[in-house]
Amino acid sequence: DAGITQSPRHKVTETGTPVTLRCHQTENHRYMYWYRQDPGHGLRLIHYSYGVKDTDKGEVSDGYSVSRSKTEDFLLTLESATSSQTSVYFCAISESSGRATDTQYFGPGTRLTVL
Amino acid sequence: SQQGEEDPQALSIQEGENATMNCSYKTSINNLQWYRQNSGRGLVHLILIRSNEREKHSGRLRVTLDTSKKSSSLLITASRAADTASYFCATGPGGSNYKLTFGKGTLLTVNP
Repeated sequence: DAGITQSPRHKVTETGTPVTLRCHQTENHRYMYWYRQDPGHGLRLIHYSYGVKDTDKGEVSDGYSVSRSKTEDFLLTLESATSSQTSVYFCAISESSGRATDTQYFGPGTRLTVL
Repeated sequence: SQQGEEDPQALSIQEGENATMNCSYKTSINNLQWYRQNSGRGLVHLILIRSNEREKHSGRLRVTLDTSKKSSSLLITASRAADTASYFCATGPGGSNYKLTFGKGTLLTVNP
């Protein structure tokens, strides 16, 4: 497995509570991504980063913010969690080069339940 | 919105049989990738095919790409129980360097 860890692996929280998920990589890859996976929707991109302090929105970014202060860490924050944010969250990394989108390597996932 | 759409949504076969999954997409792509996800785990990259390629092999995997029909197929030959997983196609659209768009996946069950 690529050196990607996610923490926590499981979390149960209450509506309105702030939540931060962490993704840590040891591969020194430039690109990092946060996805959520829900039944019937597949994998959807929340935010991604193309370098330290460089981030952009994906297709389902509302209610989420991200930060990347170091190459190895990419944080996903739910400022005020809602039940619709109950999901499995995956972090991924890639080292795109040139004009092609390269392989993405995924972390083990974080299962978040918002009550 | 989803770019790739896999077909069928679910497939059940016996060990030793071949499994074929299809992916259709809507806009131009730079490459198409297939990933596997075992239950409760993250996705694992299987194979990448570029827009100027028509077929690619990796072990028991064979991927084809038809850009005129905007479709791809993944063939797993001589399937094993360990191939039981969800399979996703992901497209890298032309002009983008770092984003993939994933389909909803095909759940493959290989019965021993």
